[in-house]
Amino acid sequence: DGGITQSPKYLFRKEGQNVTLSCEQNLNHDAMYWYRQDPGQGLRLIYYSQIVNDFQKGDIAEGYSVSREKKESFPLTVTSAQKNPTAFYLCASSMDRFKPQHFGDGTRLSIL
Amino acid sequence: GENVEQHPSTLSVQEGDSAVIKCTYSDSASNYFPWYKQELGKGPQLIIDIRSNVGEKKDQRIAVTLNKTAKHFSLHITETQPEDSAVYFCAAGLMEYGNKLVFGAGTILRVKS
Repeated sequence: DGGITQSPKYLFRKEGQNVTLSCEQNLNHDAMYWYRQDPGQGLRLIYYSQIVNDFQKGDIAEGYSVSREKKESFPLTVTSAQKNPTAFYLCASSMDRFKPQHFGDGTRLSIL
Repeated sequence: GENVEQHPSTLSVQEGDSAVIKCTYSDSASNYFPWYKQELGKGPQLIIDIRSNVGEKKDQRIAVTLNKTAKHFSLHITETQPEDSAVYFCAAGLMEYGNKLVFGAGTILRVKS
């Protein structure tokens, strides 16, 4: 089955720790995106990548980092610099920037 | 930058009635307007989208209209069913600019049977 897999589904972080959220797609999509969703709010773009080895900051990139070493993978690291990391994180991909974005089922990150 | 406002924040309808959700955007350059449905604990699912060169698009019970002059677009769901209950998000973006989408805050739709 083709799709976008995010893992883990739930993640807990201690203060001062970095954590990495996984996003893998087997759709052969060029573009991948990371969004953050807070309760009662819309999705906000953290980072996006249109092609391997290239990525750009979105609207709320501070405290986050990404890499795009492989076409199918776009991991997001939430660093200790992110002061309010508790949120629902969603990864999306699209064939290219002219095609619709499709989402994974998210990772819920909480602070212990 | 782009700003998207979505109304209403909650909407309750009787099964079989129609539901309408409206969004306004600020950047006249935006040319792509998708709508997503999100169920509890899941990621958003694309239900319909429209590009700026089209005024209306329909897919079975779902339709979207776009008014570029007024910078607003709407989602119309006819003959609502209980399984339509979910959170709906509109978004706006410029595909040539990396397809960065800006989302509305969402509408909780409840269909009462």
